[in-house]
Amino acid sequence: DAKTTQPTSMDCAEGRAANLPCNHSTISGNEYVYWYRQIHSQGPQYIIHGLKNNETNEMASLIITEDRKSSTLILPHATLRDTAVYYCIVRPGNYGGSQGNLIFGKGTKLSVKP
Amino acid sequence: NAGVMQNPRHLVRRRGQEARLRCSPMKGHSHVYWYRQLPEEGLKFMVYLQKENIIDESGMPKERFSAEFPKEGPSILRIQQVVRGDSAAYFCASSPSGNQPQHFGDGTRLSIL
Repeated sequence: DAKTTQPTSMDCAEGRAANLPCNHSTISGNEYVYWYRQIHSQGPQYIIHGLKNNETNEMASLIITEDRKSSTLILPHATLRDTAVYYCIVRPGNYGGSQGNLIFGKGTKLSVKP
Repeated sequence: NAGVMQNPRHLVRRRGQEARLRCSPMKGHSHVYWYRQLPEEGLKFMVYLQKENIIDESGMPKERFSAEFPKEGPSILRIQQVVRGDSAAYFCASSPSGNQPQHFGDGTRLSIL
């Protein structure tokens, strides 16, 4: 089972920031927070990941609370092409074997509207 | 850089036939993962391979399914004697090592008649 909890769906106006929350209250000290998204009929796309510090790349920003029990993915200026299902996943940082796979939950369906 | 390449994109088989799905990882990636997505469901892990070795096959059905990642060539997911319930999208992902992000292909959509 997924170790994260996300809202089922969210709407966002085009051009505004999309803030997607994720709860991971049972996260362990060596587990990273990963975000992927899946646009209809395509494979999941890696967005960003982090351990405890906030991270930013060309796609998004990841804000992790100090206690690491929750995080927020921020798409600064959402476009229609950002409409997708967004998955928040926790994954050990050092692992082999069965800890290497990603456990996908139901994710958040983000709809960006004109 | 070419991404993860999967072929075919669509595959139709009749019940009882064999299905072979291919995955070429990104250049420099030696770790391959296979996932299955049933209609209206999330992705489920199947198997994790690293050149010529199966690292974790805990998500593979016990019968009819097998996977390989030979020294040369793509990774192959093989489904023998397919049944209607095998209809799904099968995704392959690759990474340069076991602790780096996985990058996915666009999948093979398998339909069983």
